[in-house]
Amino acid sequence: GQQLNQSPQSMFIQEGEDVSMNCTSSSIFNTWLWYKQEPGEGPVLLIALYKAGELTSNGRLTAQFGITRKDSFLNISASIPSDVGIYFCAGGLSSGSARQLTFGSGTQLTVLP
Amino acid sequence: NAGVTQTPKFQVLKTGQSMTLQCAQDMNHNSMYWYRQDPGMGLRLIYYSASEGTTDKGEVPNGYNVSRLNKREFSLRLESAAPSQTSVYFCASSEALLATYEQYFGPGTRLTVT
Repeated sequence: GQQLNQSPQSMFIQEGEDVSMNCTSSSIFNTWLWYKQEPGEGPVLLIALYKAGELTSNGRLTAQFGITRKDSFLNISASIPSDVGIYFCAGGLSSGSARQLTFGSGTQLTVLP
Repeated sequence: NAGVTQTPKFQVLKTGQSMTLQCAQDMNHNSMYWYRQDPGMGLRLIYYSASEGTTDKGEVPNGYNVSRLNKREFSLRLESAAPSQTSVYFCASSEALLATYEQYFGPGTRLTVT
């Protein structure tokens, strides 16, 4: 199956700093999604990207769908303590009548006061 | 709306025991999914149901069975639990018949097999 390489695996940053993480694949995807997971909870959808080259923002979060359709990045500006969590990218492809996602292994973000 | 709900939240099983994980969604979604999450490995698809009455294998189906009971409910069964099935299990749903890949997740079931 498809493999997604998500980097970095973990990040320790100071409150107020900007954060950047990315996902790359050897395969093309039709969609890139970014999720955040907090301890003991399920992943929560942050941003969905549907067109190559698309740049989308959600508050302090900005994500881009790479032109080659094989990568995506997520930026968080002016980080705050509640940004702590694991961020997952997911690439989407159709399989029959269901649309399936392939997930990266996550970036663990720690924000230091 | 509760979104996606899962029961139980925690479970401990002995090797060889069986159990069923329950999932329900109240968003009128057509497609439902079961994933497992292991440390450092992200989420891996076990089974999915594109619509009521259909189920298909995902990436890691061995040792599991599923039932799409109706449009709302999708259960995952472990017939004979093994320690390798210790994991966190997530159910998700999506409006797959529309042009969207967006999946919405439940809070998870944390399963330990001893």
